[in-house]
Amino acid sequence: QSALTQPASVSGSLGQSITISCTGTSSDVGSYNFVSWYQQHPGKAPKLMIYEVIKRPSGVSNRFSGSKSGNTASLTISGLQAEDEADYYCCSYAGSSTWVFGGGTSLTVL
Amino acid sequence: QVTLRESGPALVKPTQTLTLTCTFSGFSLSTSGVFVSWIRQPPGKALEWLALIDRDDHKYYNTSLKTRLTISKDTTQKQVVLTMTNIDPVDTATYYCARFMDHGDYFDHWGQGTLVTVSS
Repeated sequence: QSALTQPASVSGSLGQSITISCTGTSSDVGSYNFVSWYQQHPGKAPKLMIYEVIKRPSGVSNRFSGSKSGNTASLTISGLQAEDEADYYCCSYAGSSTWVFGGGTSLTVL
Repeated sequence: QVTLRESGPALVKPTQTLTLTCTFSGFSLSTSGVFVSWIRQPPGKALEWLALIDRDDHKYYNTSLKTRLTISKDTTQKQVVLTMTNIDPVDTATYYCARFMDHGDYFDHWGQGTLVTVSS
């Protein structure tokens, strides 16, 4: 059950779009459409942003979208805003009733 | 309104057993598809899934930590307890409990977390 691979950091300017990747294997991301994404501001609990690869919970801005291709899932944030600056984590079902998180990505809004 | 709150010791000595309690409200663990999970985060590091329990008392554990973890529930008291044996300084982390939804496999509500420091 190895952690999913995310870039340590990404950055983008206000109003631009960024994409965060989350690479797993054929045993987790590649086999199941149970990828979720979480936003975490410093000192705060994570917040669900995307589930089942592409679905957005009620109340989450439509600037956040998810996708998946093969063993890699992605989170795209369009129209970057200052409040989007946070850490982002992906999570996938990994089979055998286990779940695995990614290593996290720190987003800086320039 | 769904809320979860973690409680437990802030400081634990190495080799001891850590016991954490998650007290929740706004939902029932007797509801189909609703689970409660524990997740931890060492300072400055990533989230790590630990354990999950469902209404039928099925328990699921992180493979790497399985021998040290026990998750249990008291449905009437609306509590889920996690115990971790043989604590080590590397177990220093903020421990979160979260509601997990089986129909979609996601953690939709989280507690604020409780920081546990392991030190002699």
